[in-house]
Amino acid sequence: GAVVSQHPSRVICKSGTSVKIECRSLDFQATTMFWYRQFPKQSLMLMATSNEGSKATYEQGVEKDKFLINHASLTLSTLTVTSAHPEDSSFYICSARGRDNSPLHFGNGTRLTVT
Amino acid sequence: SQQGEEDPQALSIQEGENATMNCSYKTSINNLQWYRQNSGRGLVHLILIRSNEREKHSGRLRVTLDTSKKSSSLLITASRAADTASYFCATEPGSGGSNYKLTFGKGTLLTVNP
Repeated sequence: GAVVSQHPSRVICKSGTSVKIECRSLDFQATTMFWYRQFPKQSLMLMATSNEGSKATYEQGVEKDKFLINHASLTLSTLTVTSAHPEDSSFYICSARGRDNSPLHFGNGTRLTVT
Repeated sequence: SQQGEEDPQALSIQEGENATMNCSYKTSINNLQWYRQNSGRGLVHLILIRSNEREKHSGRLRVTLDTSKKSSSLLITASRAADTASYFCATEPGSGGSNYKLTFGKGTLLTVNP
C-alpha cells in the first residue's frame, strides 16, 4: 500500500533555532500534501496545504514566515519551523494524496520539543 | 464550533464487547472518514462513507451516516486489546474545490481491556 515517510520522528532543539521536517511519499506521486499540528489529546489542526510546484496555502492564524513549506517535487514536502519557541512544541503530521481519489496517507508524525 | 465532534471522548470496554463511537458535523459534506491513531503515531485510514451512502462495512467495522442529522457512528465489533487507540472522524466539505481538505474531530480514546 501507499507509504508516507516522515522524518525525523523526534527532535529536540533550542529556542531560536530552525528545524526542518521532511515528508516523502515513497511509492506514489503526491500532488498535494497537508501539514497538521496536534496538541496532546487533541485533534489535528490543518496548518497548510502544499501543492507541488506552487506556494503553500496556509490556514487562518498560521504564520507563513514561521512555518515555511516547500513542495519541490511530487514525492517530497518539507516544513521548516523557523526561530522555534517553546510554544511551538507539538506533534506535527503530514499527509499526502495521489492523483486519484484515494484516501489520505499519513506520515508517523514528528514530535518537536523546543527547550 | 469545530466540525466533527466525536462522543464519547473516552470509552473503556472489555475484550469481546462492541464499541460505538459517534460523530456529529455541522456543514454539508462530500464524504466522512474514520481514522485510527495509536499513541504518538500517524493516522491510519479505516473507512470512507460517501454522502449518498447510509451504511458501510469493513471487517469488524460498521459505519453509518445520517445526513439529515449530520451524524455518523463507528461500530467495532468483538473488540480486541489491539483496537486500543484514538479514533477520529474527518469530513470532506461538499463544496467544490475543497482540494480534499479534511476537518478532524477531537477524537474518541478507546481502551480495550484484556
